[in-house]
Amino acid sequence: NAGVTQTPKFQVLKTGQSMTLQCAQDMNHNSMYWYRQDPGMGLRLIYYSASEGTTDKGEVPNGYNVSRLNKREFSLRLESAAPSQTSVYFCASSVPGQNSPLHFGNGTRLTVT
Amino acid sequence: GNSVTQMEGPVTLSEEAFLTINCTYTATGYPSLFWYVQYPGEGLQLLLKATKADDKGSNKGFEATYRKETTSFHLEKGSVQVSDSAVYFCALGAQGGSEKLVFGKGTKLTVNP
Repeated sequence: NAGVTQTPKFQVLKTGQSMTLQCAQDMNHNSMYWYRQDPGMGLRLIYYSASEGTTDKGEVPNGYNVSRLNKREFSLRLESAAPSQTSVYFCASSVPGQNSPLHFGNGTRLTVT
Repeated sequence: GNSVTQMEGPVTLSEEAFLTINCTYTATGYPSLFWYVQYPGEGLQLLLKATKADDKGSNKGFEATYRKETTSFHLEKGSVQVSDSAVYFCALGAQGGSEKLVFGKGTKLTVNP
């Protein structure tokens, strides 16, 4: 039972390089999210997608772009990586609704040097 | 705006000790409240939730009661185990769907044998 799958697990980039973080869920959820987790900061929402074909900015969207490729997949792209984007990135999914729990992937640890 | 404040960590306890992790919130309306747990190397997973005042959420021996009068949702467990070592996040879900989830900064718990 895969749930939410993120790739890669680890990545090191140099400043200015680009990359795409992949996320796929097999739970038929409409809503998908990208968070970043930084020490002492908790989780902060980067972007979310309420349904296939829609995306919206979260709390910290600058420097990122997203694509909701289909119902299963939601990718996060860094066009020109900066050291401030060193973080652990989590993808999550849920059914719509205030009380719906989020289902998280195991994260991508990104270091930008 | 909505916010969550949870006690600073880290917290270190001996096995079978009593655990309390404090969480207070600021919100308009009547939010749902959640506790998520993150085990080492994994994403967050829902531990318990409460959707209205005086509700008690419980799971795996953990409990939390939604106290509107004190705007609190403290996490408790009567006897912790080594396997409870993890980071615990309090979260608030305001009206508008899961994209409005606001997380606390997390409290790291270490339980020693």
